[in-house]
Amino acid sequence: QVQLVQSGAEVKKPGASVKVSCKASGYTFTNYGISWVRQARGQGLEWMGWISAYNGDTTYTQTFQGRVTMTTDTSTSTAYMELRSLRSDDTAVYYCARDGPVRGDPYDFWGQGTLVTVSS
Amino acid sequence: EIVMTQSPATLSVSPGERATLSCRASQGISINLAWYQQKPGQAPRLLIYGASTRATGIPARFSGSWSGTEFTEFTLTISSLQSEDFAVYYCHQYDNWPPATFGQGTRLEIK
Repeated sequence: QVQLVQSGAEVKKPGASVKVSCKASGYTFTNYGISWVRQARGQGLEWMGWISAYNGDTTYTQTFQGRVTMTTDTSTSTAYMELRSLRSDDTAVYYCARDGPVRGDPYDFWGQGTLVTVSS
Repeated sequence: EIVMTQSPATLSVSPGERATLSCRASQGISINLAWYQQKPGQAPRLLIYGASTRATGIPARFSGSWSGTEFTEFTLTISSLQSEDFAVYYCHQYDNWPPATFGQGTRLEIK
């Protein structure tokens, strides 16, 4: 069965970086993309960007442009999201979700979420 | 960027009754709209995609639709509410992409 398993919770200081992983199984990783979506406590869903595991293309929303990098390791079917220059308002649960290989699609499978806490 | 607006913010309905949730797009998005259910402490779950197609394993009491030919008004209907249906619901457009955009959510609570 399709699964996306994310890395564990992180606590970071302001200005630091965090790298969250998302290991896929149960499907052909390179036939899809991965989107990253975050959710602050009690708030809605915010799309951060997308990476194609098919061809490595990426697109990021303007909010995170310059601070985020999404990568994949096709040898381990793992996607990564690195967010730099962390601020307190980056405290949120970060989700990966299976997406289309060349453009956005509905998210049929999601990771369990990774809580990133930014605090001095 | 397409703005998705959900209404109402909170909907109070009794078990067994029908719930109707709305989502409006700031411009036409064809039928490239999905609905998700999210319970506390859990990831969202895909309910509907293509505006009206139920995802795998989703009960028939969930249905999606749209009105008019401008493809800006969408509805999620839950025909007979079960206790497990009380949650937050989000709409998501993937037509004018990037970016993907979500509505702010509707909280469905027990009346």
